[in-house]
Amino acid sequence: SQTIHQWPATLVQPVGSPLSLECTVEGTSNPNLYWYRQAAGRGLQLLFYSVGIGQISSEVPQNLSASRPQDRQFILSSKKLLLSDSGFYLCAWRGEGYEQYFGPGTRLTVT
Amino acid sequence: GDSVTQMEGPVTLSEEAFLTINCTYTATGYPSLFWYVQYPGEGLQLLLKATKADDKGSNKGFEATYRKETTSFHLEKGSVQVSDSAVYFCALSDLNTGNQFYFGTGTSLTVIP
Repeated sequence: SQTIHQWPATLVQPVGSPLSLECTVEGTSNPNLYWYRQAAGRGLQLLFYSVGIGQISSEVPQNLSASRPQDRQFILSSKKLLLSDSGFYLCAWRGEGYEQYFGPGTRLTVT
Repeated sequence: GDSVTQMEGPVTLSEEAFLTINCTYTATGYPSLFWYVQYPGEGLQLLLKATKADDKGSNKGFEATYRKETTSFHLEKGSVQVSDSAVYFCALSDLNTGNQFYFGTGTSLTVIP
């Protein structure tokens, strides 16, 4: 069966520091992968999606970037965090029926 | 473009009450429709889905029917429990828009004993 992992689970970082969040998927090959952000009490905002290694589409211009160095690995990065980057970051992969399956999330607090 | 609109929350119900969370959609093609549930501090879990008109998705006592004529996919449960307290998201995936997945804004449900 397929599983999706995210780490770290929680992160507290100062403004201006770098960021790296990792997502890996097991049990499937060449999945479509997605990064979402959920602000407190808000809905989901799609940040990036990827249809394959090295292929990244950005939905929202911001100081975040994404990379897909391996088939089942998706990384979200920033060179300098802003206070507004605080939130709950969710990684997802797309199943064969076009449904999406989500990881457990990373809670990021920028101080 | 495609979009999903779901009822504003929060919703507070007593245990064993009937639940309805309204969801309507706009799509250019023939979307698949989904309901997700998010418990506090966790990621989203797929609750149920329907892929064509008149399909009924069901899981854990929840159900929703894909109504093309009213472009709706309302979530219902006959008797809610305290453990159903969560945020519920309606979503659609439209083949015409390729990789896009559209979510509603979420409806918070609290069930009190």
